Amino acid sequence: KNQVEQSPQSLIILEGKNCTLQCNYTVSPFSNLRWYKQDTGRGPVSLTIMTFSENTKSNGRYTATLDADTKQSSLHITASQLSDSASYICVVSAINNNDMRFGAGTRLTVKP
Amino acid sequence: SQTIHQWPATLVQPVGSPLSLECTVEGTSNPNLYWYRQAAGRGLQLLFYSVGIGQISSEVPQNLSASRPQDRQFILSSKKLLLSDSGFYLCAWSVLAGGPGELFFGEGSRLTVL
Repeated sequence: KNQVEQSPQSLIILEGKNCTLQCNYTVSPFSNLRWYKQDTGRGPVSLTIMTFSENTKSNGRYTATLDADTKQSSLHITASQLSDSASYICVVSAINNNDMRFGAGTRLTVKP
Repeated sequence: SQTIHQWPATLVQPVGSPLSLECTVEGTSNPNLYWYRQAAGRGLQLLFYSVGIGQISSEVPQNLSASRPQDRQFILSSKKLLLSDSGFYLCAWSVLAGGPGELFFGEGSRLTVL
């Protein structure tokens, strides 16, 4: 069964600190993995997309990694800001179909 | 540029009343359209998706229905709401070009059924 598991469920850090969010998946055959940021009460917005051949991709202070062998991805946030407070959702897509599997998300709170 | 509009943003409805959430996309043609529901602390659940006018696929049996009367219009409806229909509903679109593409989400509609 295609699943996406994210950890931790929630995380509280101080402004300026770094953090790493995890995503494990069993979706197969793998097409791509996306990280979305969802502010409270808003729609999710894509941060990065990782395909099978990509190991690392950065978008400003966000860096995503992918290990297709172990089926794990991480999202690293550097020098966190208050505006980083949001839910971060991992979405994994399978090849040749319209099937996208969503993780439950990690709720990040950055405190001053 | 492409934009997606979803309304109403918030809705409080009594049990047994009807529902209509509307979503429109601008700046693109023949998009794939989706309705998701997000329960607190849980992942997004795909309710319906559409690859063209009048073509609706339902992912889970439920009290809801969807329609696509125009290329860039997607409507989520119910004839009689249940308490369990409460949640955050998100409309999204994508362009399917050789594989699952990026989803672009609307701002969401918060439905509370009392």
